[in-house]
Amino acid sequence: GAGVSQSPSNKVTEKGKDVELRCDPISGHTALYWYRQSLGQGLEFLIYFQGNSAPDKSGLPSDRFSAERTGGSVSTLTIQRTQQEDSAVYLCASSLAGVWNEQFFGPGTRLTVL
Amino acid sequence: RKEVEQDPGPFNVPEGATVAFNCTYSNSASQSFFWYRQDCRKEPKLLMSVYSSGNEDGRFTAQLNRASQYISLLIRDSKLSDSATYLCVVSHPNQAGTALIFGKGTTLSVSS
Repeated sequence: GAGVSQSPSNKVTEKGKDVELRCDPISGHTALYWYRQSLGQGLEFLIYFQGNSAPDKSGLPSDRFSAERTGGSVSTLTIQRTQQEDSAVYLCASSLAGVWNEQFFGPGTRLTVL
Repeated sequence: RKEVEQDPGPFNVPEGATVAFNCTYSNSASQSFFWYRQDCRKEPKLLMSVYSSGNEDGRFTAQLNRASQYISLLIRDSKLSDSATYLCVVSHPNQAGTALIFGKGTTLSVSS
């Protein structure tokens, strides 16, 4: 079956512009996660959606970052007024309900802010 | 103290060697533990979950010591294809729910 897909695969933008990153989770997975990974660094948790519950936004680094998940499926991560330090690979993962379940990752979106 | 700490390595070992990776975590309330593998410029993939009693999957053995807040991964008879970065992952209860915290990873390079 289809895995997690993300688009675009690469995004180059200018400092100050807004960007939207999309994630299509595996069908039937109620949990969806966003992470970012900077060069040579570990994965940094950003936000977690579980079903219809309020999302866990505790990892969002600033109010320029927001995410939504419509209809319990597709998710969009929006970064407003991008900064150079936002450059990273943004990874989305989905799983069955509960953090004890295996997370399946998408290929990521490589964001470069000039 | 960082929430999840790993020795970054790199660990350079010959084929057939046994290698062990360690990971410590700071939150005693953590309940779920995993090892993920990440190949260069690829997304992470689950290698194995870590259970309290310890568990084995072929050449891979994972151990959990809750008292010391310590997780280990042992790889026996290393293969070239084991070369990757191994990520220690721990669930982290917080006020908003539960997140997964990833360590920065330990890099393994297996050579012939």
